Amino acid sequence: EDQVTQSPEALRLQEGESSSLNCSYTVSGLRGLFWYRQDPGKGPEFLFTLYSAGEEKEKERLKATLTKKESFLHITAPKPEDSATYLCARQGAQKLVFGQGTRLTINP
Amino acid sequence: DVKVTQSSRYLVKRTGEKVFLECVQDMDHENMFWYRQDPGLGLRLIYFSYDVKMKEKGDIPEGYSVSREKKERFSLILESASTNQTSMYLCASSLIQLAAPNQETQYFGPGTRLLVL
Repeated sequence: EDQVTQSPEALRLQEGESSSLNCSYTVSGLRGLFWYRQDPGKGPEFLFTLYSAGEEKEKERLKATLTKKESFLHITAPKPEDSATYLCARQGAQKLVFGQGTRLTINP
Repeated sequence: DVKVTQSSRYLVKRTGEKVFLECVQDMDHENMFWYRQDPGLGLRLIYFSYDVKMKEKGDIPEGYSVSREKKERFSLILESASTNQTSMYLCASSLIQLAAPNQETQYFGPGTRLLVL
């Protein structure tokens, strides 16, 4: 079965300091790759779906990219309100396979 | 906008009680899911349903059952609650996309934090 690994587990940045979060998986093939944002005590909020290698999607300061074996969530000039846990998931047989998440903290 | 609602945000129950968690979605989605989320373990799928009166076991179905009598409503039942079922429970729904079966986005509710004493 596909395994999804996110790195780093936690990331602390200064406001305005750009960086990237990584999501890698073990089984290649055409399947949906999903990014979610989760605030403490709340349900995951959908951000992006990617499907084909080379695909990119953007929303405000976030850009998600996809290769055959991994996806990146790039955050440009982040603000404190971007602090959250970011989850990625990949479509498996009948279900999503989730990574453990990256806990992102943006300091003002 | 997709809206998934869960009946309670916080719930406190006693060991041995029967617990019902309700989930309702308003977007006519065929698929509905129940997860639990625990620190260090991530999201784990308990049960899912592709249609009314239909259910499939996920990765951790033991101690749980589900009911789907109407398309918009999916209930999770803890027959006899135990302390190890203290967790955050998340409901999700998605639309069947026959043209893109590997891209069915799941939308989540706000979660129910259950404490079993």
